[in-house]
Amino acid sequence: GAGVSQSPRYKVAKRGQDVALRCDPISGHVSLFWYQQALGQGPEFLTYFQNEAQLDKSGLPSDRFFAERPEGSVSTLKIQRTQQEDSAVYLCASSLATATNEKLFFGSGTQLSVL
Amino acid sequence: GENVEQHPSTLSVQEGDSAVIKCTYSDSASNYFPWYKQELGKRPQLIIDIRSNVGEKKDQRIAVTLNKTAKHFSLHITETQPEDSAVYFCAAEYSSASKIIFGSGTRLSIRP
Repeated sequence: GAGVSQSPRYKVAKRGQDVALRCDPISGHVSLFWYQQALGQGPEFLTYFQNEAQLDKSGLPSDRFFAERPEGSVSTLKIQRTQQEDSAVYLCASSLATATNEKLFFGSGTQLSVL
Repeated sequence: GENVEQHPSTLSVQEGDSAVIKCTYSDSASNYFPWYKQELGKRPQLIIDIRSNVGEKKDQRIAVTLNKTAKHFSLHITETQPEDSAVYFCAAEYSSASKIIFGSGTRLSIRP
């Protein structure tokens, strides 16, 4: 594909509802990151995958957040029992390299609003 | 802990003047420092990066300087133009933890 693709672009959820956010990275990119960006803030690290292996999930705010990348390409970020504080833009980024010192290509993000 | 501090949070400069954004980081083992530009409603895009084996890097009107001893790095934009208006984020790699940590951002406005 031409770039990192995320869907849906917008998601409105009722408090307590489960949501699933999808990220389709650039083909062949090994590294995949999820970030949470609150309004007016910088991206906050959530988790990092190298191929299908989740190497770092230290940024996930609670056990309601779960991410997977079972075949080393598409990734899904799942949030269970959504809360209002989960409202943010969720950004996915991918990188060609296995190291974390290379250019990140970001998706357009999913804007999640929890009512 | 892992932290990147960025300032100022907002910056307004006259078109044609220079803009400087500064960041500090906490992990002395960090070796990679990218800068991303995010225009309103768009995705962040890399504009320049620097690795710890150099102290300065330039790309046309943009330059980045790195002081590893002091653990700070700066973005310099010269001859600013209206299209430079955006939010700029600095970041630092924490290789020991496989993550890239971002600063809180600087909203740059260019006055005509």
